[in-house]
Amino acid sequence: DVKVTQSSRYLVKRTGEKVFLECVQDMDHENMFWYRQDPGLGLRLIYFSYDVKMKEKGDIPEGYSVSREKKERFSLILESASTNQTSMYLCASSLRLSYNEQFFGPGTRLTVL
Amino acid sequence: GEDVEQSLFLSVREGDSSVINCTYTDSSSTYLYWYKQEPGAGLQLLTYIFSNMDMKQDQRLTVLLNKKDKHLSLRIADTQTGDSAIYFCAEPLSGTYKYIFGTGTRLKVLA
Repeated sequence: DVKVTQSSRYLVKRTGEKVFLECVQDMDHENMFWYRQDPGLGLRLIYFSYDVKMKEKGDIPEGYSVSREKKERFSLILESASTNQTSMYLCASSLRLSYNEQFFGPGTRLTVL
Repeated sequence: GEDVEQSLFLSVREGDSSVINCTYTDSSSTYLYWYKQEPGAGLQLLTYIFSNMDMKQDQRLTVLLNKKDKHLSLRIADTQTGDSAIYFCAEPLSGTYKYIFGTGTRLKVLA
């Protein structure tokens, strides 16, 4: 059974903290994605990676960075958390070809106080 | 532009049909997808349609594709309370690894 896991379901952090969100997939997928989901805005792509150590900015990369040292793991880093980064963060993975189905993790609801 | 548009809310009575609409942008998309997000969960693929099809039926689900108008719809027959969720249409952006997701339609099924 295919699986994408995220390290935390809920996180509460303080403004200015460095935050790490981890995502692991067990499907040997090449592509991995980080989205944030906000009411009325749908899913917005923050960063994606199409191979180990490769990354590309999505639509809203400001304030975020990513790391992909191993194929199965894709980390999202908030260098200095701010209250406007309070959101639901979703990780996804897919096979190489762009039109393939994306598989999603359960999400991490991050609150920045 | 790259906006995929959906209405935000839909409310139906149990047993009725639900129709969720989506307007997409990339006429060269190979597939178009419908994802379902249940409360507190990530998105799961519900169904998809290949771009050379007009219609696809899968049990209670019917997907209609109008390529000329770039319009996609999802019909759920005999809607049940378990169908209450947010439904997203999504299109892969050709030439990239990106998907464009719609804003999501929150379906509420009234008993």
